[in-house]
Amino acid sequence: LAKTTQPISMDSYEGQEVNITCSHNNIATNDYITWYQQFPSQGPRFIIQGYKTKVTNEVASLFIPADRKSSTLSLPRVSLSDTAVYYCLVGEGGGGADGLTFGKGTHLIIQP
Amino acid sequence: DTEVTQTPKHLVMGMTNKKSLKCEQHMGHRAMYWYKQKAKKPPELMFVYSYEKLSINESVPSRFSPECPNSSLLNLHLHALQPEDSALYLCASTHAGYGGTDTQYFGPGTRLTVL
Repeated sequence: LAKTTQPISMDSYEGQEVNITCSHNNIATNDYITWYQQFPSQGPRFIIQGYKTKVTNEVASLFIPADRKSSTLSLPRVSLSDTAVYYCLVGEGGGGADGLTFGKGTHLIIQP
Repeated sequence: DTEVTQTPKHLVMGMTNKKSLKCEQHMGHRAMYWYKQKAKKPPELMFVYSYEKLSINESVPSRFSPECPNSSLLNLHLHALQPEDSALYLCASTHAGYGGTDTQYFGPGTRLTVL
């Protein structure tokens, strides 16, 4: 069973910043938070991973509050090509299927 | 090379056929995975191989039989499938162990249709 809850869908416009929040109330001490992006008929693609506070890479930022019960994926200045399903996964390294369990994901639709 | 390749891209088979899906990676990864994804649903984990040994089998029916001949290759043998097994089958790999911290690299998938 997925340990995460996300909005089913979101809409935004080109050039806007988009924030997708994931709830993981039962996150364990050793769990990391990982986000993947998936386009139709393709495999998911890693976006970003974090444990606490803020992580930033060339495509996104991940904000994790101190209690770690939620996290927010931030996509700056989205374009039409960012239309995809975004999945938040929570789990620890070293074995176990928790971190390999995908929740329902958020279908992000970007309009011109 | 950061690519996971899967063949074939598409496969149509009858319920009495035997077929195989193939997955390859040359990144030196030691964990490989099979997922099944139905339309408009998230990927569902089927099997995990770690260091060429089956580590996780998510109660998958025996008509799906995984095989890991070496660290770069993962097969999924299919026999006596049902129409409800039609789906996108995804392969993934990670560097070392499996779980929640290693980045998964996914292949493009095999679109399977069972008639």
